[in-house]
Formats: sequence, C-alpha cells, structure tokens
Amino acid sequence: NAGVTQTPKFRILKIGQSMTLQCTQDMNHNYMYWYRQDPGMGLKLIYYSVGAGITDKGEVPNGYNVSRSTTEDFPLRLELAAPSQTSVYFCASFSVAGARNQPQHFGDGTRLSIL
Amino acid sequence: KNEVEQSPQNLTAQEGEFITINCSYSVGISALHWLQQHPGGGIVSLFMLSSGKKKHGRLIATINIQEKHSSLHITASHPRDSAVYICAVNKPFGNEKLTFGTGTRLTIIP
Repeated sequence: NAGVTQTPKFRILKIGQSMTLQCTQDMNHNYMYWYRQDPGMGLKLIYYSVGAGITDKGEVPNGYNVSRSTTEDFPLRLELAAPSQTSVYFCASFSVAGARNQPQHFGDGTRLSIL
Repeated sequence: KNEVEQSPQNLTAQEGEFITINCSYSVGISALHWLQQHPGGGIVSLFMLSSGKKKHGRLIATINIQEKHSSLHITASHPRDSAVYICAVNKPFGNEKLTFGTGTRLTIIP
C-alpha cells in the first residue's frame, strides 16, 4: 500500500548540475502534480499531467521539465540547477474516475539544496 | 493578494484548548481541502469539502460558500496535533489543480 513514492528524500546539487526527481504512484491515478514549497509561501504548482502522454505547465514551470510515459511515473527534471530552485518538492496524485469527492494523495517530499 | 488566505499564521495553545483555524478565499471553487503537514514530513489530506460540515475524530471542518470562508476546529487539542495546517481550493474546470494558502503553524504545549 505504497501510495505516492518520491525519491530521493534529500539531495544537494551544485549550480549547473542536472537531476531527476522521481515520483511513482500505485493507485492507478490519472492526474499527477509537482509542487514546490518555499518557506513562508504556499505550495506552487510546477507541472501537472491528466494522463499518460499529456503534460501541462503550472504556475512556476521555468527551469523544469516533465514527462509522463506511463500512468504510474511522473519524473521532474532540473536541467541546469540554480540556487532559486532550492526548495521542498512534492508530488501528488488524484483520480477523477468515479466519485469526484476524493482528496489528492501526496508523497513525502524531496528536499533539494542548490549550492 | 493571495486567492487563499489563512489566519492566524502561527498559533500556540495549551493542551486541551479548543482550536480554530480560518481560511478565506476570493475565487469560485469546486472544493476546499484541509491538509496537515508535520515537521519534516509529508502532507496528509484531512478533509475535502464542497458544502456544510465534516467531522473526523476531534477534527471538524466547516465551509460557508456564500461567505467564501472555511474553518478547521480541533477539540481537546493534544501536543501530537502540532503541525502546519494548510487550506487549499480547487477551482472549477481547473483540472483539479490546487491553490494553496500559506499555512497555519500550530503548536500545542503540554
């Protein structure tokens, strides 16, 4: 009963490095989201996907890329890490199949520092 | 101005006190969520509301659609309730994307 799994939990990157934050869910949810959480700010949407092969930008997409080749996986790619991308990243999933009164399920977060 | 505003930003109370956290929003919504985030931890959904009131254990959530306001109440508060409580809304036709408040940090002192 894993739910939404994010890896890694922590990572330190140097400016200009690249990395992929992994997110996988085992609930067959069609909607998946990437958010970032900065101190004193509400979570902001980076990218989202309404199903395999479909992705769209959120509020703060610059510097990030995503792909959704399967229902289960929704990786977030940082190509050229910048200090402004230091944040905690959360992946979430949701199903619109059946009843609509269902909450989003969140992963435990990835704490990323860019130095 | 944020579309979702929470008050207070910080709240410290003694164990056993009745706690109220408020959320006001300025947009049309299809649903409102209350989420809980423990220090260093993930985010857990507590309630999803589109009208009225919901209760789960010592937690009660209410929403007034006309006034665009929701409250989260905790009865008989306990130190394990210490966490950040986050209000978020779904906008209609928004692909279920959430717009978040900045959170209320609750500390319950034994």
